[in-house]
Amino acid sequence: GESVGLHLPTLSVQEGDNSIINCAYSNSASDYFIWYKQESGKGPQFIIDIRSNMDKRQGQRVTVLLNKTVKHLSLQIAATQPGDSAVYFCAENAWETGNQFYFGTGTSLTVIP
Amino acid sequence: GAGVSQSPRYKVAKRGQDVALRCDPISGHVSLFWYQQALGQGPEFLTYFQNEAQLDKSGLPSDRFFAERPEGSVSTLKIQRTQQEDSAVYLCASSFPLGQSPLHFGNGTRLTVT
Repeated sequence: GESVGLHLPTLSVQEGDNSIINCAYSNSASDYFIWYKQESGKGPQFIIDIRSNMDKRQGQRVTVLLNKTVKHLSLQIAATQPGDSAVYFCAENAWETGNQFYFGTGTSLTVIP
Repeated sequence: GAGVSQSPRYKVAKRGQDVALRCDPISGHVSLFWYQQALGQGPEFLTYFQNEAQLDKSGLPSDRFFAERPEGSVSTLKIQRTQQEDSAVYLCASSFPLGQSPLHFGNGTRLTVT
């Protein structure tokens, strides 16, 4: 399948700092992307999504940036809190290839109080 | 219901046993997906339903894996003659509109094959 990978498998940040989690994808046909947060023992939880006709989208304390030229996606978390500690996945979907999403390996974010 | 519900939460099976994993999607959701998640990895696609029709089963790893959704709501993932390599968390997700929209995941069933 397509390759969706993350640059940093682990990330530790101080509480209150901003976090940036990166993701590279290889399928140039991918046109819809989602960031998920997964806490231990739970299923992935939707954070924010972005379509390929946008390069930035903001939510509450989170911003997703999409660079289609280099096939790169990032998630920025402002004022990181201990409750943000989790594994973060990016997932990609290409409309022309169907409904399945491909997930990256994940980045483990640890927030230090 | 309020979210996707999966049962059982944990399942331990002896090698060679058959198991059945259940998924109750969010009411009214048309699309239903099964994913397999190995420890420390991202979810891997198994199969996809639109209502009762299984439109994509390209991710099922072998013919020991079988999924159904006979009435377009509840789905069951069955694994026959389980093997140790089947040990993983099995996640179910649903979404409402047809087309590109976020998947809503359940908390999964952790299967351990001994």
